[in-house]
Amino acid sequence: AQTVTQSQPEMSVQEAETVTLSCTYDTSESNYYLFWYKQPPSRQMILVIRQEAYKQQNATENRFSVNFQKAAKSFSLKISDSQLGDTAMYFCAFMKLSITASKLTFGTGTRLQVTL
Amino acid sequence: EPEVTQTPSHQVTQMGQEVILRCVPISNHLYFYWYRQILGQKVEFLVSFYNNEISEKSEIFDDQFSVERPDGSNFTLKIRSTKLEDSAMYFCASRDRGNEQFFGPGTRLTVL
Repeated sequence: AQTVTQSQPEMSVQEAETVTLSCTYDTSESNYYLFWYKQPPSRQMILVIRQEAYKQQNATENRFSVNFQKAAKSFSLKISDSQLGDTAMYFCAFMKLSITASKLTFGTGTRLQVTL
Repeated sequence: EPEVTQTPSHQVTQMGQEVILRCVPISNHLYFYWYRQILGQKVEFLVSFYNNEISEKSEIFDDQFSVERPDGSNFTLKIRSTKLEDSAMYFCASRDRGNEQFFGPGTRLTVL
């Protein structure tokens, strides 16, 4: 079974600064995907960024980037130039590669507060 | 842009009552999921559905729960006899052959 661990329950960052959210996971799978989801107060789950485990290059989406360390089973999210709208819960998630329906396994989340 | 929809947005029920939560996945998606999130906790997998049958379920998904795709567009989650601990946000998600699961806005279930 897979487990996902987010060790930072809460973080705070000032607007325009950079913040890094940590995530580690445990799996015996070799092919899988990793995701970061954002959950604002509306509680909608919004995909922020994804990483395929077979790709060595770290994924980037505008101000969001990841540091994927496969051997260390680490998948951190860096948010650059933080904006007030980034205030939300952030969940790290794991999905194994499969031709059948594959579930997402989520971490416990990090609550990010962006302040003025 | 296509999106997953869920109804109702909020359901209040008495303990022991049956509830049906409804989802309309994105058209032509193949894989369907239900997740739940108890307030302040992480999102937990309940069940996945593919090719008109359950492909995986968690230990939470006991005999009180069932899923159906009755008409090729709706995807429902039924809880036969609700308990207080079933109070949570329930999310439906769907996926095509790609790796992204698209989530609906959720149904908040309150069991009194």
